[in-house]
Amino acid sequence: EVQLVESGGGLVQPGGSLRLSCAASGFTFSSYAMSWVRQAPGEGLEWVSTISGSGGGSYYVDSVKGRFTISRDNSKNTLFLQMNSLRAEDTAVYYCAKEVSGWQVSYYYYMDVWGKGTTVTVSS
Amino acid sequence: QSVLTQPPSVSGAPGQRVTISCTGSSSNIGAGYDVHWYQQLPGTAPKLLIYGNSNRPSGVPDRFSGSKSGTSASLAISGLQAEDEANYYCQSYDSSLTGSRVFGGGTKLTVL
Repeated sequence: EVQLVESGGGLVQPGGSLRLSCAASGFTFSSYAMSWVRQAPGEGLEWVSTISGSGGGSYYVDSVKGRFTISRDNSKNTLFLQMNSLRAEDTAVYYCAKEVSGWQVSYYYYMDVWGKGTTVTVSS
Repeated sequence: QSVLTQPPSVSGAPGQRVTISCTGSSSNIGAGYDVHWYQQLPGTAPKLLIYGNSNRPSGVPDRFSGSKSGTSASLAISGLQAEDEANYYCQSYDSSLTGSRVFGGGTKLTVL
């Protein structure tokens, strides 16, 4: 069974740091790009970051560039999100998601498996 | 503001058919990137509902269908059931910023 399990969330003060982890199982981890998507309380989904299967390419939403770093350890089937200089607006449930991407008639990038999420609260 | 625009809410009675629109622009849907849809039941993680504009993953009922035309896409749900009450999100890729996956703001479906 394909499974993603996030951990590492918690309460942190503004300006603080947190490192999220996502343990993957049931698929060949290194063959897939992985993403983090967040959802602020009562709000919609927001894509945060994606990393390629090899780890050689990474992408970020503008609001987290320079503060968050996505990485992966393919030997341990684990995805990470290092979050520094946290702000109140980073408060959200953070989901880890497996991405399917490619080209057929057109390019496609979608998330076919999601974890249950881990909650990050930034507050003093 | 979300890059993809969805109506905040739609509603329908059991058995009816509803549609949810997703409007983008020339840098995402209009550029040819596929549209995908997710269903988020209350208190749960999102679940892939439609991928590649109109394809259903295994296990998704054929009451759910998707289409795309120009700079817009639509999700149709026929034979509404109480358990369809959820938030629905469209998602695509935007070429204006490298690597940007983009979501719609979400649509709350209420089954009357």
